[in-house]
Amino acid sequence: DTAVSQTPKYLVTQMGNDKSIKCEQNLGHDTMYWYKQDSKKFLKIMFSYNNKELIINETVPNRFSPKSPDKAHLNLHINSLELGDSAVYFCASSQETTGEQYFGPGTRLTVT
Amino acid sequence: KQEVTQIPAALSVPEGENLVLNCSFTDSAIYNLQWFRQDPGKGLTSLLLIQSSQREQTSGRLNASLDKSSGRSTLYIAASQPGDSATYLCAVKGNQFYFGTGTSLTVIP
Repeated sequence: DTAVSQTPKYLVTQMGNDKSIKCEQNLGHDTMYWYKQDSKKFLKIMFSYNNKELIINETVPNRFSPKSPDKAHLNLHINSLELGDSAVYFCASSQETTGEQYFGPGTRLTVT
Repeated sequence: KQEVTQIPAALSVPEGENLVLNCSFTDSAIYNLQWFRQDPGKGLTSLLLIQSSQREQTSGRLNASLDKSSGRSTLYIAASQPGDSATYLCAVKGNQFYFGTGTSLTVIP
């Protein structure tokens, strides 16, 4: 009965590789998000996406791309991984009406 | 650009004490403000959501207030317990979500 789930929980990979993180929500929300939490625990939004619109934070490199096969899923694909991509990535979703966000457990990405 | 600040960055209190966490934001044009807690190595758990038209919300021992005009919100925790130890984050929703820097709370038994 998990509301927002992410896989994998941990991801260790080498520089230059391409990887994906999957996110699913069973709350029936229209909008989903990806956040990056850096080593100082600061959370920054990367993308927000609903059926109508993809909003990209302009500071996100184009090596990062969200892919949404349907309303319940928003995956994050990362090309040519760099050391600075190491962080915890959180998926979230929100109701259109209230805007309340619900977060997944996070994926800790380590690039070596 | 919206900037969200939380003071103090860290707080340590004895069990049973009432405490207040602060969140300030620079742009008052917000839709809502949400308080979260984050335990080490875990995701964020929603505590309270205040819509821009509301002044406060309460859930159990927690009470959150919002003063849009002054760009401030407070989270009041009554009768603190060791289980309240966590990092508390506030987030405001404008054209996108902006998170504060967090307050790390330790409640000492």
